[in-house]
Amino acid sequence: DIQMTQSPSTLSASIGDRVTITCRASQSIIAWLAWYQQKPGKPPRLLIYKASSLESGVPSRFSGSGSGTEFTLTISSLQADDFATYHCQQYNTLPYTFGQGTKLEIK
Amino acid sequence: QIQLVQSGSEVQKPGASVKLSCKASGYPFNNFAIHWVRQAPGQRLEWMGWIYTAKGNTKYSEKFQGRITITRDTSASTIYMELSSLISEDTAVYYCARDRLQLSPVPNWFDPWGQGTLVTVSS
Repeated sequence: DIQMTQSPSTLSASIGDRVTITCRASQSIIAWLAWYQQKPGKPPRLLIYKASSLESGVPSRFSGSGSGTEFTLTISSLQADDFATYHCQQYNTLPYTFGQGTKLEIK
Repeated sequence: QIQLVQSGSEVQKPGASVKLSCKASGYPFNNFAIHWVRQAPGQRLEWMGWIYTAKGNTKYSEKFQGRITITRDTSASTIYMELSSLISEDTAVYYCARDRLQLSPVPNWFDPWGQGTLVTVSS
């Protein structure tokens, strides 16, 4: 199975900050990567697919980049609503696998 | 709007089976595959399997092979996931999620997700 590793596992930041979360795959997944946001007690919400394509309705402060084995999710200016857990997911090879999640906390 | 509504919480004993449902609405049911993903307490999301709704074909994670069955009832626009021989480590929130691409024979990314069903396995 392809192993997905996110860093950091926890990130403390303030409103207005620019933050970046990294996701590394154990082998190349080309650009078959999605990012999801999850709030407590809620299901994940799609933010980014195909590494850098912004899902409709998602604010433009979210962006994704990368290819091969290294990917990033960037939030350009943190808003109060962005404090949540973020998951990356590879959909290059079954079984599809997720990162362990990055919890974004208020500093 | 597009919705996946899942069945309610379950408490099961070790060794038992559980069958969860996921009712779809707001889109052509047969045109989009459905995945099942679970999230155990403090663990990462874990893909379990999918059903290509148009034909009923399924593919399961090897981890669950032999214990999982995903079926569909097209007349009810509902997908079912049955997990047998439950152990305490199966305690988790189980999500159904729609494949993002229409009539794709290859699975893709997921959107939207159901609200989740908590399954507790305890004696």
